[in-house]
Amino acid sequence: DGGITQSPKYLFRKEGQNVTLSCEQNLNHDAMYWYRQDPGQGLRLIYYSQIVNDFQKGDIAEGYSVSREKKESFPLTVTSAQKNPTAFYLCASIDRDRGYGYTFGSGTRLTVV
Amino acid sequence: AQSVSQHNHHVILSEAASLELGCNYSYGGTVNLFWYVQYPGQHLQLLLKYFSGDPLVKGIKGFEAEFIKSKFSFNLRKPSVQWSDTAEYFCAVQLGGKLIFGQGTELSVKP
Repeated sequence: DGGITQSPKYLFRKEGQNVTLSCEQNLNHDAMYWYRQDPGQGLRLIYYSQIVNDFQKGDIAEGYSVSREKKESFPLTVTSAQKNPTAFYLCASIDRDRGYGYTFGSGTRLTVV
Repeated sequence: AQSVSQHNHHVILSEAASLELGCNYSYGGTVNLFWYVQYPGQHLQLLLKYFSGDPLVKGIKGFEAEFIKSKFSFNLRKPSVQWSDTAEYFCAVQLGGKLIFGQGTELSVKP
């Protein structure tokens, strides 16, 4: 079945370390997105990419970086510059040719101690 | 800045009560509108979407939403809620290449 795979489901890191969250899709979707979900704040857009080798900052890009070297993959790096990295991170992709249906991954819960 | 506002952070209802969750957005152009639901421990799921046409949109599980352009609103409704509707509900607006979410409304339905 096609879908989005985020790994790992839970991730623990020490403060000051960079960490990379994986997002892979086999849906042949062009556009991919990273969101951060915090209680009471909904989902906030971190970065998005509409085609390979191109990406744009979302509303809360500071302290994060991404790459889009392959259509299937859109990894997110949480750097040590992110002041409050503990959160639930969701990856999504979209099929523009089929009515803009967004598909979401199951998320990664990052805890920085 | 473009934004999406959901008026209620937490709604508590008894089974069979009617539900209406408010959603307003601050953008004057053409938008695509969505409601998503997140059941405890599960993925975000699409409830319904509006792109154009009939402003009353019907979704899954008996939910519907009405787009009122003059009020910049897209409120979610259900005539009679069930305990299984307990979840968090998110309104979202698509502007160009971005999908912008509201803060979410947590719905608790008492049996």
